[in-house]
Amino acid sequence: NAGVTQTPKFRILKIGQSMTLQCTQDMNHNYMYWYRQDPGMGLKLIYYSVGAGITDKGEVPNGYNVSRSTTEDFPLRLELAAPSQTSVYFCASSYPGYRDNSPLHFGNGTRLTVT
Amino acid sequence: QQPVQSPQAVILREGEDAVINCSSSKALYSVHWYRQKHGEAPVFLMILLKGGEQKGHEKISASFNEKKQQSSLYLTASQLSYSGTYFCGTESLGPGGGNKLTFGTGTQLKVEL
Repeated sequence: NAGVTQTPKFRILKIGQSMTLQCTQDMNHNYMYWYRQDPGMGLKLIYYSVGAGITDKGEVPNGYNVSRSTTEDFPLRLELAAPSQTSVYFCASSYPGYRDNSPLHFGNGTRLTVT
Repeated sequence: QQPVQSPQAVILREGEDAVINCSSSKALYSVHWYRQKHGEAPVFLMILLKGGEQKGHEKISASFNEKKQQSSLYLTASQLSYSGTYFCGTESLGPGGGNKLTFGTGTQLKVEL
C-alpha cells in the first residue's frame, strides 16, 4: 500500500517549457487535490476532483490544467512555465471528501524550479 | 479567505505547553489540523466537525468554537518530536465552501532541550 505517489521529486524548467506532474493513489479515494506551497507559506488549492471525469478549480488555477480519467491518477499540467510557478507541489487524496471526517493523505511533493 | 493563525512562531523548552490559534472570517463547517516537518509532506492530526467539539491525539488536543469561527490546538508537555509547522485548514459553509479546504499560513513550532 504505497498511498499517494508523486513523480518527479525534483524538476528544473526553463521559462516557457511545459511539463506534467504525475500523481497516483492506491487507496481507492474518490477525492484528489493539487496544492502548491511557496516558501514559508501555507498550501493553496490549485485544482481538485471529486471523481473520475470531474474536476474543478481551486484558489489559484491560472497556468495549470488537470484531468481525471481514472480514480487512481490525477496529473497536473503546466503550460508555458513561469518563474511564479516555482514552488513545491503536493498532491493529496481523501475518501470521500472533507465533510465526512476524511483527512487528506499527501504525497511527498514535487519541488519545481522555473528559471 | 485564508484563516489567520497565531502565533506565527514559537520556541518551547521540552515539557512546556503551547496553544496555536486559527481564526476565520467565514462561518465554518470543519477545521483540520496538520503538522509538517521540514522537507516533508503535511501529516494529519485531527478534524473537528462540530462547534465546541474537543478532540485529543496523545498529548495534542484541539477545540472548535463554531460561534467565534475559531479553533485552537493545544500541545501539552511538548516533546522534541513536536517540532514542525502546524497548519489549520478550514472548510466554510455556504457558496464557495464545501470541498475546498483553505489553509492558514502556518505556525512554526520548535521544541528545544
